[in-house]
Amino acid sequence: DIQMTQSPSSLSASVGDRVTITCQASHDISNDLNWYQQKPGKAPKLLISDTWNRETGVPSRFSGIGSGTYFTLTISSLQPEDIATYYCQHYGRLPAIPALTFGGGTKVEIK
Amino acid sequence: QVQLVESGGGVVQPGTSLRLSCTASGYTFSRHGLHWVRQAPGKGLEWVALIWYDGSKKFYGDSVKGRFTISRDNSRDTLYLQMDSLRAEDTAMYFCARLLGNIVDYWGQGTLVTVSS
Repeated sequence: DIQMTQSPSSLSASVGDRVTITCQASHDISNDLNWYQQKPGKAPKLLISDTWNRETGVPSRFSGIGSGTYFTLTISSLQPEDIATYYCQHYGRLPAIPALTFGGGTKVEIK
Repeated sequence: QVQLVESGGGVVQPGTSLRLSCTASGYTFSRHGLHWVRQAPGKGLEWVALIWYDGSKKFYGDSVKGRFTISRDNSRDTLYLQMDSLRAEDTAMYFCARLLGNIVDYWGQGTLVTVSS
């Protein structure tokens, strides 16, 4: 089974700071990596698919990069509305079980 | 617009059963696979189960295999999760989520299941 390891588990930064979250896969997953944002009490929201494709309406300050086993999500200038927990996620492909494998999450707070 | 609305959560005792529902609207239900994903209080996201668009294939996470059953009724635009032999560790918010290719593009708001004696 593929394991997804996110770091850090939490971070505190100032408004305007550049923030980077990393996600490492236990095996090569090509670019099959998505990022979700979850605000307290809400469902997760898809931010970036296939490593770097920003979803419609997602601000350009969010960007993703990576391939193989190492991926990053960057917020170029942290805003108060970005306070949330961020999850990376891989989707298995047949013949493997097409499970959703999530990283442990990174909680982003304002300093 | 696409909407997924879960229902059926509640407080139950260990060893009992519960059935969750997820009613969809705003798209052609029978064209998309659907997942159940859960989140224990204060914890991360855990995949529970997946059903193919036509119900022909079903997959389960190891922690629920043999106890939970995913199903769907495409005539009612509804997804189900039958949960048997419930344990305290099944306590979580349960989300249904739509599959689009290899991404999950829409999520419901969740229904809370609490297993406690």
